[in-house]
Amino acid sequence: SQQGEEDPQALSIQEGENATMNCSYKTSINNLQWYRQNSGRGLVHLILIRSNEREKHSGRLRVTLDTSKKSSSLLITASRAADTASYFCATDGKTGNQFYFGTGTSLTVIP
Amino acid sequence: DGGITQSPKYLFRKEGQNVTLSCEQNLNHDAMYWYRQDPGQGLRLIYYSQIVNDFQKGDIAEGYSVSREKKESFPLTVTSAQKNPTAFYLCASSIEGLSYNEQFFGPGTRLTVL
Repeated sequence: SQQGEEDPQALSIQEGENATMNCSYKTSINNLQWYRQNSGRGLVHLILIRSNEREKHSGRLRVTLDTSKKSSSLLITASRAADTASYFCATDGKTGNQFYFGTGTSLTVIP
Repeated sequence: DGGITQSPKYLFRKEGQNVTLSCEQNLNHDAMYWYRQDPGQGLRLIYYSQIVNDFQKGDIAEGYSVSREKKESFPLTVTSAQKNPTAFYLCASSIEGLSYNEQFFGPGTRLTVL
């Protein structure tokens, strides 16, 4: 399977702290995306990083990509209680037209 | 408002019955997708369609069927051949069926087999 794996599976932090979650995948990719899912809801796109990019920022989000290690990380700075959700990475393999989602990291931000 | 809708939100099925989950989008997107999510798991692709009247199997298509007669609609039928259908089903769409496009997700349908 090309499915990615997020690490850790669960993360609990205090409001204001930074949260880092990691994604590892198995095959070469064109693009990697991160999504967020609130409990029982659909997913919401956060950020896309292309295989020729090493780092990308969007507001309080910072994503890095290391294609040599087949891994990506998502950093959420100055976390808020509203950031409590599950976070998934999605990779495309080399097919370019479908996504493979990881197993997710469940983040809890304690007020 | 533009968006993607799924209905119903909750669905109960008796064993041996076929059920159809609805997915509609008014985003004028070419590509549409169906995923299955089991508790504590990631999403697995069931079927996807990059254009009207065309669709491809994903990783877990057995026991499911789809149609794409209209650009706006991509219904999923869960047949009695699907041995373990209880799950959360998510529909998504994107401008094109390419991986640099963001996917927009519906709110999901939770299917329970009684």
